[in-house]
Amino acid sequence: QKEVEQNSGPLSVPEGAIASLNCTYSDRVSQSFFWYRQYSGKSPELIMSIYSNGDKEDGRFTAQLNKASQYVSLLIRDSQPSDSATYLCAVKDPGGSYIPTFGRGTSLIVHP
Amino acid sequence: SQTIHQWPATLVQPVGSPLSLECTVEGTSNPNLYWYRQAAGRGLQLLFYSVGIGQISSEVPQNLSASRPQDRQFILSSKKLLLSDSGFYLCAWSGPNSGSIETQYFGPGTRLLVL
Repeated sequence: QKEVEQNSGPLSVPEGAIASLNCTYSDRVSQSFFWYRQYSGKSPELIMSIYSNGDKEDGRFTAQLNKASQYVSLLIRDSQPSDSATYLCAVKDPGGSYIPTFGRGTSLIVHP
Repeated sequence: SQTIHQWPATLVQPVGSPLSLECTVEGTSNPNLYWYRQAAGRGLQLLFYSVGIGQISSEVPQNLSASRPQDRQFILSSKKLLLSDSGFYLCAWSGPNSGSIETQYFGPGTRLLVL
C-alpha cells in the first residue's frame, strides 16, 4: 500500500523565518510530487509541483525532491502569518491512474 | 482559464435523508473528475473518480454513489445519509488544461453535517 507520511505538527515558526515542511513516501517509483496549502475551512490550493531531483523555486516557496531518499520538502522563506495553514503533500506513481496519494498534512503556524 | 464550482456550500441534513451534491467545471473539455471526503482532522479520502461521461470508479464501498451525466458535471448522491457521512466534500479536476494531466485542482467544497 502506498503511503505518504507527514508530521502533523503543528510546526510553529516566527514571522520572517524559514519554514521547512517534510514529506516521505513509500513507493520508490513515484515520479510526480505536489504541495497544496489548505486554510482552515477551505479547500486545498496547489502551490507547486515537482518532478525532478533537486530544487524548484517559485517566489518564497522552494520544493526539494530527493528520490533516492524518498522525500520531498517545501521551504517557505520569510514566513508570514498568512502562511499559517495545513500543507498537504501528494505523490503519484507513473502508472495509468491519475490519482495521487495524499499525506494527512502538516499544520504550520507563523506567529508575529 | 478553468474554474470549478460546487454547491451547496454548506448543508445540514437529518439521518436517513437523501443527498445530492453537484460539481461543474468550466473552461476545459474531457476532464478527469474526483470526489473526496475530508472528515474533521483527517486526511483526504478518495470516494469516486471519472475519466469520462458515464464512467465511474468507486474507491470506497459505502452508501454513496456518483454519476457523470455530462462531460463537465459530476454528482455525488446518497439515498439515506448516515451520521458518518458528515464531512467536507471536495470535487477536483485534472486534465490536459491543468498544466499536467495529473495535477488536481479542487473546488471550494461542500460542508455536510448529518444530524
